[in-house]
Amino acid sequence: EAQVTQNPRYLITVTGKKLTVTCSQNMNHEYMSWYRQDPGLGLRQIYYSMNVEVTDKGDVPEGYKVSRKEKRNFPLILESPSPNQTSLYFCASSLRGLTGGLNEQFFGPGTRLTVL
Amino acid sequence: AQRVTQPEKLLSVFKGAPVELKCNYSYSGSPELFWYVQYSRQRLQLLLRHISRESIKGFTADLNKGETSFHLKKPFAQEEDSAMYYCALNGSGGYNKLIFGAGTRLAVHP
Repeated sequence: EAQVTQNPRYLITVTGKKLTVTCSQNMNHEYMSWYRQDPGLGLRQIYYSMNVEVTDKGDVPEGYKVSRKEKRNFPLILESPSPNQTSLYFCASSLRGLTGGLNEQFFGPGTRLTVL
Repeated sequence: AQRVTQPEKLLSVFKGAPVELKCNYSYSGSPELFWYVQYSRQRLQLLLRHISRESIKGFTADLNKGETSFHLKKPFAQEEDSAMYYCALNGSGGYNKLIFGAGTRLAVHP
Protein backbone atom coordinates (compact mmCIF):
# COMPACT_ATOMS: atom_id res chain seq x y z
CA GLU A 1 0.00 0.00 0.00
CA ALA A 2 1.35 3.41 -0.99
CA GLN A 3 1.66 5.51 2.10
CA VAL A 4 3.62 7.78 4.39
CA THR A 5 4.47 6.33 7.78
CA GLN A 6 5.64 8.08 10.92
CA ASN A 7 7.07 6.74 14.15
CA PRO A 8 6.40 7.04 16.96
CA ARG A 9 2.75 8.03 16.84
CA TYR A 10 2.79 9.30 20.41
CA LEU A 11 5.74 10.48 22.48
CA ILE A 12 6.09 12.08 25.88
CA THR A 13 9.55 13.31 26.74
CA VAL A 14 11.35 15.80 28.96
CA THR A 15 13.06 19.07 28.16
CA GLY A 16 16.48 18.65 26.63
CA LYS A 17 16.32 14.98 25.76
CA LYS A 18 17.17 14.55 22.10
CA LEU A 19 14.59 12.76 20.01
CA THR A 20 13.96 11.75 16.41
CA VAL A 21 10.66 11.29 14.66
CA THR A 22 11.00 9.12 11.59
CA CYS A 23 9.12 9.54 8.34
CA SER A 24 9.17 7.12 5.45
CA GLN A 25 7.36 6.96 2.11
CA ASN A 26 7.21 4.09 -0.36
CA MET A 27 6.03 6.05 -3.40
CA ASN A 28 9.44 7.15 -4.73
CA HIS A 29 8.50 10.76 -4.08
CA GLU A 30 11.13 13.43 -4.48
CA TYR A 31 9.55 16.06 -2.24
CA MET A 32 9.06 15.59 1.51
CA SER A 33 8.03 18.02 4.19
CA TRP A 34 7.39 18.37 7.91
CA TYR A 35 4.59 20.40 9.48
CA ARG A 36 3.44 21.10 12.98
CA GLN A 37 -0.22 21.63 13.79
CA ASP A 38 -1.26 23.80 16.70
CA PRO A 39 -4.76 24.90 17.73
CA GLY A 40 -5.82 28.08 16.00
CA LEU A 41 -2.71 28.15 13.83
CA GLY A 42 -3.34 25.38 11.34
CA LEU A 43 -0.34 23.62 9.85
CA ARG A 44 2.99 25.39 9.67
CA GLN A 45 5.86 24.10 7.61
CA ILE A 46 9.06 23.29 9.49
CA TYR A 47 11.41 21.99 6.80
CA TYR A 48 11.12 20.54 3.34
CA SER A 49 13.31 18.57 0.99
CA MET A 50 13.28 18.65 -2.78
CA ASN A 51 15.40 15.52 -3.11
CA VAL A 52 18.22 13.55 -1.49
CA GLU A 53 20.68 15.85 0.29
CA VAL A 54 18.56 18.91 -0.58
CA THR A 55 16.71 20.47 2.35
CA ASP A 56 15.43 23.95 3.12
CA LYS A 57 13.74 25.81 5.92
CA GLY A 58 10.02 26.31 6.11
CA ASP A 59 8.34 28.94 8.23
CA VAL A 60 9.15 27.60 11.70
CA PRO A 61 12.52 25.79 11.53
CA GLU A 62 13.96 26.96 14.86
CA GLY A 63 14.76 24.10 17.19
CA TYR A 64 14.51 21.43 14.51
CA LYS A 65 16.88 19.62 12.19
CA VAL A 66 16.26 17.28 9.29
CA SER A 67 18.27 15.07 7.01
CA ARG A 68 17.61 13.41 3.67
CA LYS A 69 20.22 10.75 3.13
CA GLU A 70 17.82 8.44 1.32
CA LYS A 71 14.91 9.26 -0.90
CA ARG A 72 12.36 7.41 1.19
CA ASN A 73 13.30 8.75 4.64
CA PHE A 74 13.08 12.23 6.10
CA PRO A 75 13.61 12.19 9.88
CA LEU A 76 12.83 15.17 12.08
CA ILE A 77 15.34 15.75 14.87
CA LEU A 78 14.84 17.76 18.01
CA GLU A 79 18.28 18.17 19.55
CA SER A 80 17.05 19.78 22.76
CA PRO A 81 13.26 19.73 22.92
CA SER A 82 11.41 22.41 24.83
CA PRO A 83 7.78 22.62 26.01
CA ASN A 84 6.88 25.01 23.17
CA GLN A 85 7.57 22.16 20.76
CA THR A 86 4.65 20.22 22.17
CA SER A 87 2.52 19.76 19.09
CA LEU A 88 1.08 17.42 16.49
CA TYR A 89 3.59 16.76 13.74
CA PHE A 90 2.85 15.67 10.18
CA CYS A 91 5.16 14.43 7.50
CA ALA A 92 4.10 14.69 3.86
CA SER A 93 5.47 13.76 0.47
CA SER A 94 4.70 14.47 -3.16
CA LEU A 95 6.03 13.20 -6.44
CA ARG A 96 7.81 16.45 -7.18
CA GLY A 97 7.83 19.94 -5.79
CA LEU A 98 4.67 21.88 -5.31
CA THR A 99 5.12 24.38 -8.12
CA GLY A 100 2.65 24.02 -10.93
CA GLY A 101 -0.16 23.15 -8.57
CA LEU A 102 -0.24 19.65 -9.91
CA ASN A 103 1.45 17.75 -7.17
CA GLU A 104 -0.68 16.43 -4.36
CA GLN A 105 0.90 16.00 -0.97
CA PHE A 106 0.29 12.72 0.84
CA PHE A 107 0.28 13.01 4.59
CA GLY A 108 1.38 10.67 7.33
CA PRO A 109 -0.88 9.85 10.29
CA GLY A 110 0.75 12.36 12.62
CA THR A 111 2.94 12.18 15.74
CA ARG A 112 1.67 13.72 18.94
CA LEU A 113 4.64 15.01 20.93
CA THR A 114 4.51 16.27 24.50
CA VAL A 115 7.58 17.89 26.02
CA LEU A 116 7.43 18.26 29.79
CA ALA B 1 3.83 38.51 3.58
CA GLN B 2 2.06 35.39 2.46
CA ARG B 3 -0.92 34.53 4.56
CA VAL B 4 -4.08 32.44 4.40
CA THR B 5 -7.08 33.43 6.47
CA GLN B 6 -10.03 31.21 7.25
CA PRO B 7 -12.27 33.45 9.33
CA GLU B 8 -14.60 30.75 10.66
CA LYS B 9 -13.37 28.17 13.15
CA LEU B 10 -16.69 26.32 13.00
CA LEU B 11 -19.43 26.20 10.44
CA SER B 12 -22.56 24.36 11.47
CA VAL B 13 -25.30 23.57 8.94
CA PHE B 14 -28.14 21.13 8.42
CA LYS B 15 -28.09 18.39 5.83
CA GLY B 16 -29.17 19.68 2.44
CA ALA B 17 -28.21 23.28 3.17
CA PRO B 18 -25.65 25.13 1.03
CA VAL B 19 -22.15 25.42 2.39
CA GLU B 20 -19.50 28.06 1.84
CA LEU B 21 -16.17 27.84 3.66
CA LYS B 22 -14.31 31.08 3.32
CA CYS B 23 -10.66 31.46 2.44
CA ASN B 24 -8.81 34.70 1.80
CA TYR B 25 -5.16 34.94 0.94
CA SER B 26 -2.43 37.51 0.86
CA TYR B 27 0.14 37.12 -1.89
CA SER B 28 1.55 39.55 -4.40
CA GLY B 29 2.25 37.13 -7.23
CA SER B 30 0.21 34.41 -8.91
CA PRO B 31 -0.94 32.05 -6.18
CA GLU B 32 -1.60 28.36 -6.35
CA LEU B 33 -4.38 27.40 -3.99
CA PHE B 34 -5.60 24.15 -2.54
CA TRP B 35 -8.25 22.81 -0.22
CA TYR B 36 -7.27 19.93 2.05
CA VAL B 37 -9.69 17.96 4.19
CA GLN B 38 -9.26 15.85 7.30
CA TYR B 39 -12.10 13.50 8.19
CA SER B 40 -12.34 12.12 11.70
CA ARG B 41 -9.54 9.64 12.40
CA GLN B 42 -8.18 9.96 8.89
CA ARG B 43 -5.17 11.60 7.36
CA LEU B 44 -5.14 15.02 5.82
CA GLN B 45 -5.85 14.68 2.10
CA LEU B 46 -6.16 16.91 -0.91
CA LEU B 47 -9.72 17.84 -1.81
CA LEU B 48 -9.16 20.09 -4.78
CA ARG B 49 -6.77 22.59 -6.37
CA HIS B 50 -7.66 25.71 -8.24
CA ILE B 51 -5.52 24.96 -11.26
CA SER B 52 -7.57 21.87 -12.06
CA ARG B 53 -10.90 23.68 -11.88
CA GLU B 54 -12.48 20.42 -10.79
CA SER B 55 -15.42 19.42 -8.65
CA ILE B 56 -14.74 16.82 -6.03
CA LYS B 57 -17.49 15.27 -3.90
CA GLY B 58 -19.75 18.09 -5.07
CA PHE B 59 -17.35 20.79 -3.82
CA THR B 60 -16.07 23.57 -6.03
CA ALA B 61 -13.80 26.52 -5.41
CA ASP B 62 -13.13 29.48 -7.67
CA LEU B 63 -10.10 31.67 -7.41
CA ASN B 64 -11.12 35.33 -7.28
CA LYS B 65 -7.97 37.39 -7.67
CA GLY B 66 -9.81 40.67 -7.26
CA GLU B 67 -11.12 39.68 -3.85
CA THR B 68 -8.09 37.44 -3.11
CA SER B 69 -10.43 34.65 -2.17
CA PHE B 70 -10.76 30.93 -2.79
CA HIS B 71 -13.99 29.99 -1.08
CA LEU B 72 -15.11 26.35 -1.01
CA LYS B 73 -18.73 25.75 -1.90
CA LYS B 74 -21.23 22.92 -2.03
CA PRO B 75 -24.89 23.41 -2.89
CA PHE B 76 -26.26 20.62 -0.67
CA ALA B 77 -24.28 19.50 2.37
CA GLN B 78 -24.21 15.85 3.41
CA GLU B 79 -23.48 14.44 6.86
CA GLU B 80 -20.35 12.75 5.51
CA ASP B 81 -18.95 16.19 4.66
CA SER B 82 -18.36 16.84 8.34
CA ALA B 83 -14.62 17.33 8.67
CA MET B 84 -11.84 19.86 9.17
CA TYR B 85 -11.09 21.87 6.04
CA TYR B 86 -7.83 23.70 5.37
CA CYS B 87 -7.14 26.22 2.66
CA ALA B 88 -3.50 26.33 1.54
CA LEU B 89 -1.36 28.59 -0.62
CA ASN B 90 1.78 27.90 -2.58
CA GLY B 91 3.68 30.81 -4.00
CA SER B 92 4.65 30.50 -7.64
CA GLY B 93 8.08 30.75 -9.20
CA GLY B 94 9.64 27.63 -7.78
CA TYR B 95 8.50 28.35 -4.26
CA ASN B 96 7.75 25.15 -2.45
CA LYS B 97 6.45 26.29 0.89
CA LEU B 98 2.82 25.53 1.53
CA ILE B 99 1.05 28.05 3.77
CA PHE B 100 -2.05 26.72 5.54
CA GLY B 101 -4.94 28.57 7.04
CA ALA B 102 -6.05 27.77 10.59
CA GLY B 103 -8.83 25.53 9.33
CA THR B 104 -12.61 25.48 9.54
CA ARG B 105 -14.54 22.66 11.13
CA LEU B 106 -17.68 21.85 9.16
CA ALA B 107 -20.42 20.12 11.12
CA VAL B 108 -23.39 18.88 9.10
CA HIS B 109 -26.38 17.94 11.23
CA PRO B 110 -29.16 15.54 10.20
